[in-house]
Amino acid sequence: AQSVTQPDIHITVSEGASLELRCNYSYGATPYLFWYVQSPGQGLQLLLKYFSGDTLVQGIKGFEAEFKRSQSSFNLRKPSVHWSDAAEYFCAVGATGGGNKLTFGTGTQLKVEL
Amino acid sequence: KAGVTQTPRYLIKTRGQQVTLSCSPISGHRSVSWYQQTPGQGLQFLFEYFSETQRNKGNFPGRFSGRQFSNSRSEMNVSTLELGDSALYLCASSPSPQGSYEQYFGPGTRLTVT
Repeated sequence: AQSVTQPDIHITVSEGASLELRCNYSYGATPYLFWYVQSPGQGLQLLLKYFSGDTLVQGIKGFEAEFKRSQSSFNLRKPSVHWSDAAEYFCAVGATGGGNKLTFGTGTQLKVEL
Repeated sequence: KAGVTQTPRYLIKTRGQQVTLSCSPISGHRSVSWYQQTPGQGLQFLFEYFSETQRNKGNFPGRFSGRQFSNSRSEMNVSTLELGDSALYLCASSPSPQGSYEQYFGPGTRLTVT
């Protein structure tokens, strides 16, 4: 069964600083990988996804993520964080042939200091 | 295009009661998935429906059930409510059950069981 680990529960960065959120997955084959963001009281918004091909994927709001098969990682990055990026971020994995079932990590709460 | 809508947004029920939550997917989307989000367990997959058929089911007791109608709208039902069922219930829709398509999440229904 697939699993996702987000080792950082909370991260605080200053506005304008760079950001990297870590995600490690466990899955036997090449998975479908996703990053979602959730603002308080809201549903989930997809930031980016990886299915195959180029291992560096670009998403919305200036986010990017890199798939590293050798490290089973899919870390999310942003070169310059804005105060509005404060939210909770979830990494998720979907199994090929597994329909739309997603397995989520526990999330990373991002705080941005002005 | 209108997004995924969930009704009601907030609900308070008493232990032992039952509850029905509704989800209207994006027009043209035929796959609907449900997730439970709690502080302790995080985001957990409940089930997925496509063309009125349940395709995937998570590890939840039989008190949790769902269905999908011919217009792709979906409902989930929880019978004999327990305090631990208090959660944010999220619905997601997708045009396909293949897993490689983007899923769009609704704002959720916040269920409180007292």
